[in-house]
Amino acid sequence: GAVVSQHPSWVICKSGTSVKIECRSLDFQATTMFWYRQFPKQSLMLMATSNEGSKATYEQGVEKDKFLINHASLTLSTLTVTSAHPEDSSFYICSASATREVSYNEQFFGPGTRLTVL
Amino acid sequence: SQKIEQNSEALNIQEGKTATLTCNYTNYSPAYLQWYRQDPGRGPVFLLLIRENEKEKRKERLKVTFDTTLKQSLFHITASQPADSATYLCALPPSGGSYIPTFGRGTSLIVHP
Repeated sequence: GAVVSQHPSWVICKSGTSVKIECRSLDFQATTMFWYRQFPKQSLMLMATSNEGSKATYEQGVEKDKFLINHASLTLSTLTVTSAHPEDSSFYICSASATREVSYNEQFFGPGTRLTVL
Repeated sequence: SQKIEQNSEALNIQEGKTATLTCNYTNYSPAYLQWYRQDPGRGPVFLLLIRENEKEKRKERLKVTFDTTLKQSLFHITASQPADSATYLCALPPSGGSYIPTFGRGTSLIVHP
């Protein structure tokens, strides 16, 4: 149980285009989903937290107009990188929780999406 | 400011030996600490959680210790196998009431056959 999928697993796009990444909880209802970014040999950096049906909460320094997050259902959240630039190239990982107050080991991670912007 | 430190150098050990990874933290008083495994190009997988009032936690070949005085956690893998090769991340809850863990950058473990 507690499986989270991401699609696509990797994507290459041209600078200036937009890319959408999907995160799905396959066997549970995810009240809360999180989006992380990880650069090579760096730690996971939380970008935003989204609760189903409400606007996402972005971490300091993350542009909400550039990284659009939609959590329209209890099993799906999407991250859209708008007008992507080479510096947006990174590994994007989502995680999901069945509760609004994530604690302990209630967070389940997806396999990640490798974005390369040319 | 809060800081989590994990050795950035890879740990190379021989199969069958015990691997020991370290997580140090400063300016924290965490209620718990977590360890995750991350394989290349994959998301983290939760391994173990240890609470502040627990000195040691075991799960199969894994053992975690938590010394709140030293502000350190040690992660041990006994009888290590090449399949244990991965990056191991520690994570702690930040201060300020947030429940969302903050991750260290991880230490790469390479187990040689």
